[in-house]
This record gives sequence, structure tokens and C-alpha cells, in this order.
Amino acid sequence: EVQLMESGGGLVQPGGSLRLSCAASGFTFSSYWMSWVRQAPGKAPEWVANIKQDASGTYYVASVRGRFTISRDNAKNSMYLQMNSLRAEDTAVYYCARDRYSSGWYIDYWGQGTLVTVSS
Amino acid sequence: QSVLTQPPSVSAAPGQKVTISCSGSSSNIGDNYVSWYQQLPGTAPKLLIYDNNKRPSGIPDRFSGSKSGTSATLGITGLQTGDEADYYCGAWDSSLSAGLVFGGGTKLTVL
Repeated sequence: EVQLMESGGGLVQPGGSLRLSCAASGFTFSSYWMSWVRQAPGKAPEWVANIKQDASGTYYVASVRGRFTISRDNAKNSMYLQMNSLRAEDTAVYYCARDRYSSGWYIDYWGQGTLVTVSS
Repeated sequence: QSVLTQPPSVSAAPGQKVTISCSGSSSNIGDNYVSWYQQLPGTAPKLLIYDNNKRPSGIPDRFSGSKSGTSATLGITGLQTGDEADYYCGAWDSSLSAGLVFGGGTKLTVL
């Protein structure tokens, strides 16, 4: 059974930093692209970033480029999101997600999410 | 403002059929495949449809998807109270700001 478990969320002041972690199990982690997707309260999901199987490629939504860094450790079946210079608009539940590509690109599994609140 | 446009809400009676539309542009739906997600209250999204019209294992055939040009549609037949949820469409966007984009979501109410 595919399981994705996020951790590291919490309350942080504007301008602060936070590091999210995602522990994966139930599948061969090193064989999949992985993503972070966030969802602000009452809003639609927003894709944040994704990372290639061997971490040789990373991609970001424009609003976080230069502030967030996605990474992974295949030996630990884990993915991370380092978030710096946080803003109020970064407040959201952050989901760890497994990417799939067949004919099109989509997400087939989501974690339960971790809440990040940016407020003074 | 989401890249993909969905109606905010739809409703229908148990047992009936409902469709949810998703409108995009040539850089996303027009040039890529569409996926659909169901989000029950207080839970993470769940994949319902991928590659426009394919269902993952375990998703009943009451759920269907289609695409035409720059629009896509999710259909749900034999509505059940347990189908009450938010539904989101998604597609890769091939523009300069490339990435996976989502619709604003449609709240389904089963009356």
C-alpha cells in the first residue's frame, strides 16, 4: 500500500523558514517523480514543485522560485521542501504527492498533508 | 484565480447524473491530458480520472471523463450521498510557467 507521510508543518513568522519532510513507503520511491502541492484554506490545490527520480531535475511554480527548494534522499525514501522567506500567502496545507506520467502528467497518490501557517 | 475554470457548484438528487465542466486553453487542456480529483471534507484529494478518461483501479465506472478541444467534462451517474465532495480538474500547462495546474473546484451537493 502506497503511503506518504508529511511532517514539519507549524506556525512561523513572516520572513522565517521551515523544512517539510515526506516519508514514503509501499512503493519503489527512487522510480518516481515526486511533487509538493499546497492548498490554502477554502481554495483549490496549487502545485508547488516537483523533482525527478534521481534529483537531476527540479521545477517550481513561479511564486516560490528562489525561496523554496525541493530535494530527496532515495536511500531514506524521503523528500523535503525547504521554505525560506515565508509570506502570509504561503499559508496552506502542504501535501506530498507521487507523480505519474503515461499519456499525460497527473498525481496518483497524496499524503494527508501538513499545515503551514505564516503569521506574526 | 485558477488557470482552469470550473463551475463553483452543481447539485442533483440521489440516483441522478451530473456533469462538471473544466475549461482551459491551448497550453494546458488543449495540448495535454486531463485528470480529475475528488476531495471529501477534511481529507486529501484522490485521483478519479487520468489521461482524460481512464479510471484507476478501484474507481467505479459511475465516474467518467471526456475531453474536447480546450474543455473537459467529468460525469457521475447513479449519484450517492457519499459523492458529496469538491471535485478538481488538473492538466499540465506547457506555457513558460510550466507545471501542473488545477481548476478552482466544484462543490457537488447530492440533494
